[in-house]
Amino acid sequence: AQSVTQPDIHITVSEGASLELRCNYSYGATPYLFWYVQSPGQGLQLLLKYFSGDTLVQGIKGFEAEFKRSQSSFNLRKPSVHWSDAAEYFCAVGGSFGNEKLTFGTGTRLTIIP
Amino acid sequence: EAQVTQNPRYLITVTGKKLTVTCSQNMNHEYMSWYRQDPGLGLRQIYYSMNVEVTDKGDVPEGYKVSRKEKRNFPLILESPSPNQTSLYFCASSLYGQGNQPQHFGDGTRLSIL
Repeated sequence: AQSVTQPDIHITVSEGASLELRCNYSYGATPYLFWYVQSPGQGLQLLLKYFSGDTLVQGIKGFEAEFKRSQSSFNLRKPSVHWSDAAEYFCAVGGSFGNEKLTFGTGTRLTIIP
Repeated sequence: EAQVTQNPRYLITVTGKKLTVTCSQNMNHEYMSWYRQDPGLGLRQIYYSMNVEVTDKGDVPEGYKVSRKEKRNFPLILESPSPNQTSLYFCASSLYGQGNQPQHFGDGTRLSIL
């Protein structure tokens, strides 16, 4: 069965510092990978996705993620965080067929300190 | 504006009193689903629908019902709510499926069952 692990429940970084959120997945074939962000009181918004091709994908709000098949990882990065990036971040794994299950990780809460 | 609309946003009710959470999307999406979000557990899928009149169970369907009579609407029904259904609920939609499509989420419904 497919699964997603986000090992960091809560991360605190200073405004302007770099950020890396970890995501490890388990999936039997080529995964479809997603990162979503949930701001307080709102639904999840897609940050970026990886389906195939270039393993470094760019997303919205200055985020990027790198797919590393050998490590079964899809870590999210941002070179310089802003106070508005404080939110909860979810990694998710799916597959190539429309009825493939989409499995979410348990999320990482990001706090930004001035 | 493309959106998924859930109502109500907040509801406090009592055990056993039937309730319905509505979900509507204006993007002509075929696929819709319901998730619940609980601390430390991430998002877990309750039910999903690949198209009109086609619904199927997700990971945690017990105590819930759904129907898909129109493409745009996918209501979640709790016929006899219990306190363990206190949670934050999200409706989501996508063009065709779940595992290979970005999901569009509503802003959530916070249910408290006393």
